[in-house]
Amino acid sequence: DTGVSQNPRHKITKRGQNVTFRCDPISEHNRLYWYRQTLGQGPEFLTYFQNEAQLEKSRLLSDRFSAERPKGSFSTLEIQRTEQGDSAMYLCASSSTGGPYEQYFGPGTRLTVT
Amino acid sequence: AQSVTQLGSHVSVSEGALVLLRCNYSSSVPPYLFWYVQYPNQGLQLLLKYTSAATLVKGINGFEAEFKKSETSFHLTKPSAHMSDAAEYFCAVSENTGNQFYFGTGTSLTVIP
Repeated sequence: DTGVSQNPRHKITKRGQNVTFRCDPISEHNRLYWYRQTLGQGPEFLTYFQNEAQLEKSRLLSDRFSAERPKGSFSTLEIQRTEQGDSAMYLCASSSTGGPYEQYFGPGTRLTVT
Repeated sequence: AQSVTQLGSHVSVSEGALVLLRCNYSSSVPPYLFWYVQYPNQGLQLLLKYTSAATLVKGINGFEAEFKKSETSFHLTKPSAHMSDAAEYFCAVSENTGNQFYFGTGTSLTVIP
């Protein structure tokens, strides 16, 4: 098992452009989470999938953000019409279905909006 | 909703000294508790987890944490700091469903040679 992977690792985009990030979880994990982390802060929960079903969404997740996990394996997070305030590290994590649900994180995608 | 408080955003210790990083959670029901470490420009790595099996939990790299229900605390310790321990440390709590994790704001550990 190679762990959680995320692509790309870095993304620089101009304000107003759309960006999409990919996350490949640990293969036997049913649960997948997306977080946003800004400098000096802990990860903030964005959304959570169990298999292909999106079960939780944070109020932080504006309409410009959408996430999918179409076949219950990899997931994508899309940000439309990016704003400078979207600049952050986007982290993906996965866990198994049974407790205690410890999450295993990918290396993150660092987004810079210019 | 759960919340996690990490006292001290920056902690400095000398190499070989005791490391103590503080974490308090808000919950009337003992949840799942975790400590994670993050090195620059990397994701979070699980150090240890509390699952109610034992109040003193041992993790990787010589770290351990003690769950104290009466104090709603889960402080992280290491008897002797090493230079490689310099990193950001996050305490996290999960409800019993595991649907959401709540992270503290982190403590940056500096180890002085």
